[in-house]
Amino acid sequence: DVKVTQSSRYLVKRTGEKVFLECVQDMDHENMFWYRQDPGLGLRLIYFSYDVKMKEKGDIPEGYSVSREKKERFSLILESASTNQTSMYLCASTRLETEAFFGQGTRLTVV
Amino acid sequence: TQLLEQSPQFLSIQEGENLTVYCNSSSVFSSLQWYRQEPGEGPVLLVTVVTGGEVKKLKRLTFQFGDARKDSSLHITAAQTGDTGLYLCAGVPQTGANNLFFGTGTRLTVIP
Repeated sequence: DVKVTQSSRYLVKRTGEKVFLECVQDMDHENMFWYRQDPGLGLRLIYFSYDVKMKEKGDIPEGYSVSREKKERFSLILESASTNQTSMYLCASTRLETEAFFGQGTRLTVV
Repeated sequence: TQLLEQSPQFLSIQEGENLTVYCNSSSVFSSLQWYRQEPGEGPVLLVTVVTGGEVKKLKRLTFQFGDARKDSSLHITAAQTGDTGLYLCAGVPQTGANNLFFGTGTRLTVIP
């Protein structure tokens, strides 16, 4: 059974903390994505990666960075968490233009 | 601005009714996908359409890709309570790299 696993379902962090969200896929997919989902705004692309050590900015990269040291792992980093980064974060992986497989999501609350 | 706009944003209908959800863009896409997301879970793929004018049917769901590959629609016949969820369209722009963009979503509630 194919899987995309996100490290946490729920996180509560304080303003100014550095936050790491981890995502691991077991399908040997080239492409990995980080989205945030907010009511009425759909899924907005933060960063994506099409190869190890490669990264591309999406629509809303400000305040975020990413790391892809291994093909199966794509990490999203909030350098200094702020309350407007409270959201649902979804990781996905695809092979080229085929189906995107998603993790279960991480609901992050910044207080 | 969103690359893919969906309408309506919210839809509440009685069981047994028909409905159509729209996904529109000014950009051309090499393919469009439709996903359904249930609370607390990630989206799950329903269908991919790749050819302009293509129509695909999955039981009571009919998906259409516009001739110009800029828009798509999802039609549900005789809606059931199990159809309740968030419906998202997604596509890879023809001029883009491997980035997959998602629409704004339509939240469907089917009332028994």
